[in-house]
Amino acid sequence: NAGVTQTPKFQVLKTGQSMTLQCAQDMNHEYMSWYRQDPGMGLRLIHYSVGAGITDQGEVPNGYNVSRSTTEDFPLRLLSAAPSQTSVYFCASSPNVQAWYGYTFGSGTRLTVV
Amino acid sequence: DQQVKQNSPSLSVQEGRISILNCDYTNSMFDYFLWYKKYPAEGPTFLISISSIKDKNEDGRFTVFLNKSAKHLSLHIVPSQPGDSAVYFCLNAGGTSYGKLTFGQGTILTVHP
Repeated sequence: NAGVTQTPKFQVLKTGQSMTLQCAQDMNHEYMSWYRQDPGMGLRLIHYSVGAGITDQGEVPNGYNVSRSTTEDFPLRLLSAAPSQTSVYFCASSPNVQAWYGYTFGSGTRLTVV
Repeated sequence: DQQVKQNSPSLSVQEGRISILNCDYTNSMFDYFLWYKKYPAEGPTFLISISSIKDKNEDGRFTVFLNKSAKHLSLHIVPSQPGDSAVYFCLNAGGTSYGKLTFGQGTILTVHP
């Protein structure tokens, strides 16, 4: 039972480069989301999805794109990385959007943009 | 706009003693208050919740108290153990929060052996 798998665990990018952070879950969860964690800021919601084909913006969506073509996968794309996007990124899933008690988080991706 | 705040960024406690983590809110828009716990290099995990119509909920060593008149929420851990050392987040959720579960800055709890 893998739960929520995030890849890669670590990544260093140069300013302007693009990349995709991968997130996959094997629990058939409808709801998936991306957070970023920065010192003194807690976890802030970037984008979320309530089901395949449906996505919406969270608190800090600028600079990030998402899509949800399957139930299992919810990739986060950085089109042109900036140093302000240096952060730890967490993907989460839950059975449905109302199951706030049942969030399962991945172990995170630590991204550094130089 | 509802706000939930944890005003103490950190708390240090001796093993075996009580840990009390506090949370204040301005408007309770949603039906439940939650506590999540996060260890370094891991994602947060759900710890305990309380309905807004209750004033206490207990689960083993963890008890959450809700004082609606003071708009104050607290998490008690008795007895505290070194494995409880983590960041604790207080959240408000339910109803129309609809996918926007918001984590604040959290409180770093350190339990010393």
